[in-house]
Amino acid sequence: AQSVTQPDIHITVSEGASLELRCNYSYGATPYLFWYVQSPGQGLQLLLKYFSGDTLVQGIKGFEAEFKRSQSSFNLRKPSVHWSDAAEYFCAVDSDNYGQNFVFGPGTRLSVLP
Amino acid sequence: DTEVTQTPKHLVMGMTNKKSLKCEQHMGHRAMYWYKQKAKKPPELMFVYSYEKLSINESVPSRFSPECPNSSLLNLHLHALQPEDSALYLCASSQDRAGSRREQYFGPGTRLTVT
Repeated sequence: AQSVTQPDIHITVSEGASLELRCNYSYGATPYLFWYVQSPGQGLQLLLKYFSGDTLVQGIKGFEAEFKRSQSSFNLRKPSVHWSDAAEYFCAVDSDNYGQNFVFGPGTRLSVLP
Repeated sequence: DTEVTQTPKHLVMGMTNKKSLKCEQHMGHRAMYWYKQKAKKPPELMFVYSYEKLSINESVPSRFSPECPNSSLLNLHLHALQPEDSALYLCASSQDRAGSRREQYFGPGTRLTVT
């Protein structure tokens, strides 16, 4: 079965600093990969997705992510973090196996220092 | 427009009550989902409807009963819930369950408290 790990439970960065959130997945074929953000008590917002093609994908709010097949990773990056980026970030995986389900990673909580 | 709406925003119910959560989307999506999310945890899939048919039920207790009246609406009927069912219930939709149109768009959720 496919699985997703996010090694960092909680990350704190200063406003204006760069950010990288890690995501690793376990799946034989190339999966469909997503990053979502969730503010406290809110629903999830799709930041970006990777299906195929260019391994560097751009998303909303200045985020980007890079798919690295050799490392089974899909890390999220932002060059300069804003205080409003403080939230919970979830990596998610889907597959072409119709019996498999959309799987979320455990999440990484981002705190931003002024 | 990528909006999924959910009502109510908050719900407090006793263990003997019957209530329903509602979800609506007007994006023409043909797949809709219910998730349960406990604090500090990722969403857990409960049900999936594809083309208005229930395609996945993740071994959810029968006190939760989903319904898809049409392609835009999804309900979750609640009956005889337990306090441990208190959580944020999220609805999501996607254009399809397969292919390159599978990204899910989420509603804001219903915060459910069972007393």
